[in-house]
Amino acid sequence: EIVLTQSPGTLSLSPGERATLSCRASQSISSSYLAWYQQKPGQAPRVLIYGASNRATGIPDRFSGSGSGTDFALTISRLEPEDFAVYYCQQYGNSPYTFGQGTKLEIK
Amino acid sequence: EVQLVESGGGFIQPGGSLRLSCAASGFSVSSNYMSWVRQGPGKGLEGVSFIYSGGGTYYADSVKGRFTISRDNSKNTLYLQMNSLRVEDTAVYYCATHPARGEWGQGTLVTVSS
Repeated sequence: EIVLTQSPGTLSLSPGERATLSCRASQSISSSYLAWYQQKPGQAPRVLIYGASNRATGIPDRFSGSGSGTDFALTISRLEPEDFAVYYCQQYGNSPYTFGQGTKLEIK
Repeated sequence: EVQLVESGGGFIQPGGSLRLSCAASGFSVSSNYMSWVRQGPGKGLEGVSFIYSGGGTYYADSVKGRFTISRDNSKNTLYLQMNSLRVEDTAVYYCATHPARGEWGQGTLVTVSS
């Protein structure tokens, strides 16, 4: 089973700043099958990125995904107040599909 | 429009059973990868069980032998039969489609407590 490790655990930034979240896999993820989700309190996760770099429908272009192999990143170019949430990565290149433990993005 | 609606959660004593349902609309459950993902109080996301379009299934070690995933094609509904429930099974349970599709239900809360 592929283990995903997200860093940092908590990221404290201000609106307007740039955020970079990391997701590292214990082994190479085939075909860059990695997704990123955003979750706000009391809500279901929402997919932001799939295939490592493809934005899901309706996701603003300030969100971007990058990486391949074992190292992936989610970048939010300019933080808006609504972006403060918990973010998870998930790999779906190898069964079982697994999640990272999450990064909490909080307002500084 | 794709929609997933879970039901069946509730309060149950340890050792009890529940069956969760996930009614889908806007796509076919039978021809898609479907999963149950849970989130314990204050915790992250945990994949509990998956069913592939071909019918193959997967269970996390923590639920193997106790939970069973299934689908009813005529009702376009996904199920999770949960037996021998434990306190540590307390969580919000979500059904979700393949990550590349990215649809999730609103979740149903299961509380296991004496």
